[in-house]
This record gives sequence, structure tokens and C-alpha cells, in this order.
Amino acid sequence: DSGVTQTPKHLITATGQRVTLRCSPRSGDLSVYWYQQSLDQGLQFLIQYYNGEERAKGNILERFSAQQFPDLHSELNLSSLELGDSALYFCASSVAAGREQFFGPGTRLTVL
Amino acid sequence: GENVEQHPSTLSVQEGDSAVIKCTYSDSASNYFPWYKQELGKGPQLIIDIRSNVGEKKDQRIAVTLNKTAKHFSLHITETQPEDSAVYFCAAPSSGTYKYIFGTGTRLKVLA
Repeated sequence: DSGVTQTPKHLITATGQRVTLRCSPRSGDLSVYWYQQSLDQGLQFLIQYYNGEERAKGNILERFSAQQFPDLHSELNLSSLELGDSALYFCASSVAAGREQFFGPGTRLTVL
Repeated sequence: GENVEQHPSTLSVQEGDSAVIKCTYSDSASNYFPWYKQELGKGPQLIIDIRSNVGEKKDQRIAVTLNKTAKHFSLHITETQPEDSAVYFCAAPSSGTYKYIFGTGTRLKVLA
């Protein structure tokens, strides 16, 4: 157990809908990272937050957004969902940027 | 852009034999190289990492070697066991940021 928690574990929704994925980092970790894992794209970095502020952005779609709250948990919002958004979404945390990243168990999103 | 290549994509070994997975990276500024193990239905688990100021690091049956000149690093697992069966990912940070670029993964199967 990495200490990073993610909810929900599974999510099934329809095209066009909006969902929110939640992540709680390890105790003491200030940095949160979101990744998408799909069969054809592998593990892709989406976005990083550090102590509430956005620090780095990857190939995150405009339909996706994220934030990190004062209690350091983070949410990833996915809107206008498409079939191709079906994937595993992982959150990772580290005590500071550049330190080891520890991954949560992931949320499996299925868009029908 | 930054790239991390990982080989082989699949690897089958007999229990007790050694397994070696290799990665090459393109960004010469990269200075931290983690290896993750992902079991079915779980998030990636950090198993070992190496920083650019050392050439080798060992932790029991697992070792990582780094050749900065050639820009490649390798994971070595000795005395493999069935529970080592999983997908292994290498990663390297993208230049100037702390986001990881992941390799495409190696599916290791240890045959009993």
C-alpha cells in the first residue's frame, strides 16, 4: 500500500457526461501528479500540482481540468467524455517536486 | 521531444534465472531514473531508483545500472520468482520539469 488513495475505483458513464476523480496524497506529500494509462498510449503524464498550485502540464485535453485543495487532496475533472477517454487514471504523490513518486491504485473509467 | 525507449516488450524466464530490462532516454539533462512494477489491477509500485551521480544501485535481488554517456539504464532481477511476474516500467524526468516520461513497459513472465 503506497498511502495514496483514489476514489472511485471504477466508474462507468456515458459519452458527453462529466466525472470527477479524487485523490488523497500520502501524509506529508505536497505534490500530486495525474497520469492516464491506456492500452495504446501507455502511461501519460497529465498534470502536476504542488501545494495547491499548478506546476507542470502534459498532454492534458482542454476538456480535462484539475485542482489541488488546501487539504492537499486533488480532483481531476473530465467533461464531454468520449469513448477514447476510457482508461485507467492514476494519481501519484511526492513529498516535493523531484522526489520519488508513489502511485495510488487508480480509477478505471469506462465511457459507453 | 523527450523519449524513453524500453526493451524487450515481453520477457519469459525460468524461475531462478535472471532478467534484464533496458531503457534508453534522450534528454541528457535527466538525472533521476525510477523503475516501477505494476501487477494486474494495481497501480505502479516504485521498486528501485537511481540518481545520475552513481552508476549502480542494488537492493537484494534487484539492481539498476546507469550509463550516462550512452544514456541508458537497466533493471536486473536475479533469482527470479513467480511473484516477480508483472509489467515493469522505466521512467525519466522531462527536461526542466518533474513530470515523468515512461517507457512502454515490459511484461515479465517467470515460469515455475
